[in-house]
Order: sequence, then C-alpha cells, then structure tokens
Amino acid sequence: GENVEQHPSTLSVQEGDSAVIKCTYSDSASNYFPWYKQELGKRPQLIIDIRSNVGEKKDQRIAVTLNKTAKHFSLHITETQPEDSAVYFCAASIEGSNYQLIWGAGTKLIIKP
Amino acid sequence: DVKVTQSSRYLVKRTGEKVFLECVQDMDHENMFWYRQDPGLGLRLIYFSYDVKMKEKGDIPEGYSVSREKKERFSLILESASTNQTSMYLCASSSPVAGGPYEQYFGPGTRLTVT
Repeated sequence: GENVEQHPSTLSVQEGDSAVIKCTYSDSASNYFPWYKQELGKRPQLIIDIRSNVGEKKDQRIAVTLNKTAKHFSLHITETQPEDSAVYFCAASIEGSNYQLIWGAGTKLIIKP
Repeated sequence: DVKVTQSSRYLVKRTGEKVFLECVQDMDHENMFWYRQDPGLGLRLIYFSYDVKMKEKGDIPEGYSVSREKKERFSLILESASTNQTSMYLCASSSPVAGGPYEQYFGPGTRLTVT
C-alpha cells in the first residue's frame, strides 16, 4: 500500500540552529503535503502545507520544500527556539480521496538550550 | 475557531468491556476521522466518515466499529476491549473544498487503558 517515510525519528539541535525533517512518499498522484506539530500533551495542529504545483512555501521561520520528481518533501525550521520542541508529523494526500491522508511516523524535535 | 471535543481525556476499562468514545465538532464539517496514535507508529486511521451514516474502513479497523447518526457526532466503539487496544485515540474533522484535501482539526485525544 501507499506509505510515507519520515526521518529522523528524533532530532536534537542547539537553540538558534536550523532543523530539517524529511519525508518520502510513494503515491505519485499525491498532491497535498501538510505538516502538523504536536506539543507534549496537546493535539496535532497544522503549521504549514504545500500543494504539488508549488516547489517551496515559507511562513516566518518555517518553510517546506517539495521535489515531486524524487517524491520527497522537507520541513525547515530556522533559528530554533525552545517552543519548537514537539513531535512533527508529515502527511500526503491519497489519490482519488478528497479527505484521506497518509501519515509519517513522526519526528521528535528537541531544542537544547 | 473550529472546536473538536472528545468525551473523555482518560479512560480505564477492563478486558472484554464494550467501550464508547465520542467526538463532537461544531463547524458543520462533512468529514470525520478516528485515529490511533502509538509511539513510533504515527497516526493510523481506524475509520472515517464523509457524511451522516456513511463510513469507510481505514488501515486498522479490526476490533472497532463506528457510528455517525448526526453530522456533528462520530462515535468509536470497541466491541470487546483487549489490552492491545490500549492507546491514544484522536478524533479529527475536515471540510472538503474544491481543489482537494483540507486541514484536519483534531480533538484533544482520549488515552484509553485496557487492563
């Protein structure tokens, strides 16, 4: 079946440094790629998304890049801060479905002071 | 603001019990989902519903059933709880728009422990 692989499973960076999380998807028809952030004890929330007709999208310190040929997309966080510590999930849409997503396994991001 | 609520934050049940988890959303969303979240496995879809009384199986429907009698409410039922169903259960909702998938809004989760 279709799947999304996410790496790394844990990422530890020094406060102020950049963090990059990568996802690879298998369904070449996927056209929507969201990223969700889940802080400890809280619900996942959408932080940024990208559609297949765009190669990059930026929102302040976060950005997402998409390479459709290679079927991978990445989340970039610059100037990391303690409040960036969380679990991040990537997802990809399923062909023919207007609502289903396939999820990555998650990346625990730790920001060291 | 979209609000998705779940009936319990924490639940402890015994093996063999019938368990009901309820989810309510207040934004008139057509789509509702039940996920199970386990460490290292991400979010796995149990069931989803795209309309009242409509449901489709997700990736791991075994041992679960669902009910959607009203648009705002989506219930997950564990017919006979087992210890391997101990997990965090997350409900979500979304509304389809032209052009494809849309943001899913999550509830706070129910941590179910089956002993």
